[in-house]
Amino acid sequence: RKEVEQDPGPFNVPEGATVAFNCTYSNSASQSFFWYRQDCRKEPKLLMSVYSSGNEDGRFTAQLNRASQYISLLIRDSKLSDSATYLCVVNIGNQFYFGTGTSLTVIP
Amino acid sequence: DTGVSQDPRHKITKRGQNVTFRCDPISEHNRLYWYRQTLGQGPEFLTYFQNEAQLEKSRLLSDRFSAERPKGSFSTLEIQRTEQGDSAMYLCASASQETQYFGPGTRLLVL
Repeated sequence: RKEVEQDPGPFNVPEGATVAFNCTYSNSASQSFFWYRQDCRKEPKLLMSVYSSGNEDGRFTAQLNRASQYISLLIRDSKLSDSATYLCVVNIGNQFYFGTGTSLTVIP
Repeated sequence: DTGVSQDPRHKITKRGQNVTFRCDPISEHNRLYWYRQTLGQGPEFLTYFQNEAQLEKSRLLSDRFSAERPKGSFSTLEIQRTEQGDSAMYLCASASQETQYFGPGTRLLVL
């Protein structure tokens, strides 16, 4: 069983839309959680860490539900520049496990 | 530019040849990670170092794969007797706490 499962999409949304991505993780010993963004043919870059209390960074909100082993990312007011692959990541004992990524295309 | 460099950026080799990739992490970071990424997949954890100590290597894909970080600074990943299935992007990341910074990757094509 994979450590992290994500819906690969693709998600095609119009500019200004709100879009939500979800991921689940299998290991209850997972210690910390992240969302990374990866543009085509580029390296992944940290978007935000995810905390149980939820955290927000501008148009982006991340949430963690430890009981359900579930992580979410909400993007409000989508911009064309948000088009990318969004990777869910869990840290288990300083080892980082990535989901397959969810592809987002924001359409003008 | 994250401050992590990888060399070479691209490598084409023939099946059966050995290849070695280098990663130079951010200098003050003590942890260094290697990943493999294939098309349509997320990065797959291979191994990691804390300083010069390799703390996990059970995820290396086969005994043809090995990694070193002899002085706790740069690291190398070697693949011996390459196979066509080894064609992928090999990514290196450095970290001091929990945030990883990735290099641009080495794209390997095995013919």
